[in-house]
Amino acid sequence: GQNIDQPTEMTATEGAIVQINCTYQTSGFNGLFWYQQHAGEAPTFLSYNVLDGLEEKGRFSSFLSRSKGYSYLLLKELQMKDSASYLCAPGGGATNKLIFGTGTLLAVQP
Amino acid sequence: AAGVIQSPRHLIKEKRETATLKCYPIPRHDTVYWYQQGPGQDPQFLISFYEKMQSDKGSIPDRFSAQQFSDYHSELNMSSLELGDSALYFCASSSRLVKNPYEQYFGPGTRLTVT
Repeated sequence: GQNIDQPTEMTATEGAIVQINCTYQTSGFNGLFWYQQHAGEAPTFLSYNVLDGLEEKGRFSSFLSRSKGYSYLLLKELQMKDSASYLCAPGGGATNKLIFGTGTLLAVQP
Repeated sequence: AAGVIQSPRHLIKEKRETATLKCYPIPRHDTVYWYQQGPGQDPQFLISFYEKMQSDKGSIPDRFSAQQFSDYHSELNMSSLELGDSALYFCASSSRLVKNPYEQYFGPGTRLTVT
């Protein structure tokens, strides 16, 4: 089955670094995706990991450990516009559907 | 660059009515996905199509049906609408012929309100 856990809410300060963790118990996927979603808007792709390890993409990095069922998204140099929900989603399986976690609502404060 | 187009953007229907949502994927994308996002909920996968054939099915009610047409656009048909169907419906598309075949591009969504 699919069981994806993320913290419900997090607060961080502008300019700081924040790490959003995701644990999962799921099968049949070959990638772990992170999406950003502002309220009422479409999810936008941030990062994904197919292999274990760290993937860096500008201010965003994502880490995956398949054996531990664990991933995290690292956001550096936080900006106010980073206030949004961050969705962890195993995907990329045979049919590439995404199974979203409950999302972490990040509030960036001045 | 062209994005996923969804229409209408907003739709208000009464209970027991029908609704049709349309999705136009990014040109040359071969796969379309439908997701439903209720208020305060995460997006839930409904159904997907690859090359006009249904490729996967998630938690889609029997009252809903979908198809992908020869021009790759897709339609989600919803009948006997219930209040609980009120949600944002996202369409996403992807292509198996690009560097990252797993990345899905989401449309702006259709906000359906059932009264």
